[in-house]
Amino acid sequence: GAGVSQTPSNKVTEKGKYVELRCDPISGHTALYWYRQSLGQGPEFLIYFQGTGAADDSGLPNDRFFAVRPEGSVSTLKIQRTERGDSAVYLCASSLLKLGSYEQYFGPGTRLTVT
Amino acid sequence: KQEVTQIPAALSVPEGENLVLNCSFTDSAIYNLQWFRQDPGKGLTSLLLIQSSQREQTSGRLNASLDKSSGRSTLYIAASQPGDSATYLCAVRAGNQFYFGTGTSLTVIP
Repeated sequence: GAGVSQTPSNKVTEKGKYVELRCDPISGHTALYWYRQSLGQGPEFLIYFQGTGAADDSGLPNDRFFAVRPEGSVSTLKIQRTERGDSAVYLCASSLLKLGSYEQYFGPGTRLTVT
Repeated sequence: KQEVTQIPAALSVPEGENLVLNCSFTDSAIYNLQWFRQDPGKGLTSLLLIQSSQREQTSGRLNASLDKSSGRSTLYIAASQPGDSATYLCAVRAGNQFYFGTGTSLTVIP
């Protein structure tokens, strides 16, 4: 596709429910990142994939958060037992690791609201 | 842990003015620095990427500089336009992670 896409654009869920957020990166981009952005803040790193594997998941806040990228393209961020504090915009970015450049291209985000 | 600070938090200027946005970071061991703009309710749009070995990058009316040793970057916007109104974010890459500042909210008044 032309850019990074994320679905859904908005998700409202009740506390305690399970949610999945999807990211479709730019075709051919091997690196994929998930971030979380709260109102008035910059994006906060969650996890980085290089191909199919999670190269760095140190930003995941706890074990309720998990992400996969089984075929090295589309990624899904999964949140179990959602809490109101999980409400934020979840952003996905991808990079083509060319000549050491890690320029990131972001999707429009998924706004998650936990009621 | 890398910390990124952006000053000012908000800026309002009349159309046509030149302006400078500032970004500072605490650890000079970075791979690169990237400037983004974010429009309300939208994702981030990449403006400029500066590798750690570079001093500046230019794109149109935008010029970004990097002084790695002092932990500073500036984004210069020439002849500002109302369409430049947005939040501007800088991010530094250290290791596998990118660290973002909280942004500067720019308003250009027609």
